Amino acid sequence: DADVTQTPRNRITKTGKRIMLECSQTKGHDRMYWYRQDPGLGLQLIYYSFDVKDINKGEISDGYSVSRQAQAKFSLSLESAIPNQTALYFCATSGSDRSYGYTFGSGTRLTVV
Amino acid sequence: RKEVEQDPGPFNVPEGATVAFNCTYSNSASQSFFWYRQDCRKEPKLLMSVYSSGNEDGRFTAQLNRASQYISLLIRDSKLSDSATYLCVVTSGGSNYKLTFGKGTLLTVNP
Repeated sequence: DADVTQTPRNRITKTGKRIMLECSQTKGHDRMYWYRQDPGLGLQLIYYSFDVKDINKGEISDGYSVSRQAQAKFSLSLESAIPNQTALYFCATSGSDRSYGYTFGSGTRLTVV
Repeated sequence: RKEVEQDPGPFNVPEGATVAFNCTYSNSASQSFFWYRQDCRKEPKLLMSVYSSGNEDGRFTAQLNRASQYISLLIRDSKLSDSATYLCVVTSGGSNYKLTFGKGTLLTVNP
């Protein structure tokens, strides 16, 4: 099993629909992150959480919300999807030791039509 | 100035070539440094950490110059399988660190 699992892998949804992307990790880490990636723009941080009771906005949180249901689970919601939210979304996790970097999930490819 | 800036690329090189990627970062308090590799439509994966003394992993050599806030990655004897996007990554200081990613440099190794 992968250390970080994202579901779904691919999703096509209509404008205005609510959609949830889920992430779970088996690393036992406290810290989890959601990024989106668009061609030419690199990885942009949406939200991050340093423990179950901690939620922080990243660079581009507008239009998104998150829920940290447990240490291992961190979900991202688009309350009312719009076409410019079409992107590749990655969840990541890390421990308290910065020298190990992040472990990423395989990504969710979201298309909003 | 962007937090992490990389060569825009793309780089197209023949098999066996040596290729170097450069990266600069703006936060002098940055603590840890990495190169990640990302294959097309896949997740980024840690390639190697970068240490002040420089470090090598097979055909890959990474170097850090804290005074110049500069990081490099050298790939020797390029293989077709090295084709990917290479991301320069730095961490902020403090216990609540976050990683900041460069936009990446695309490398294509041609037969």
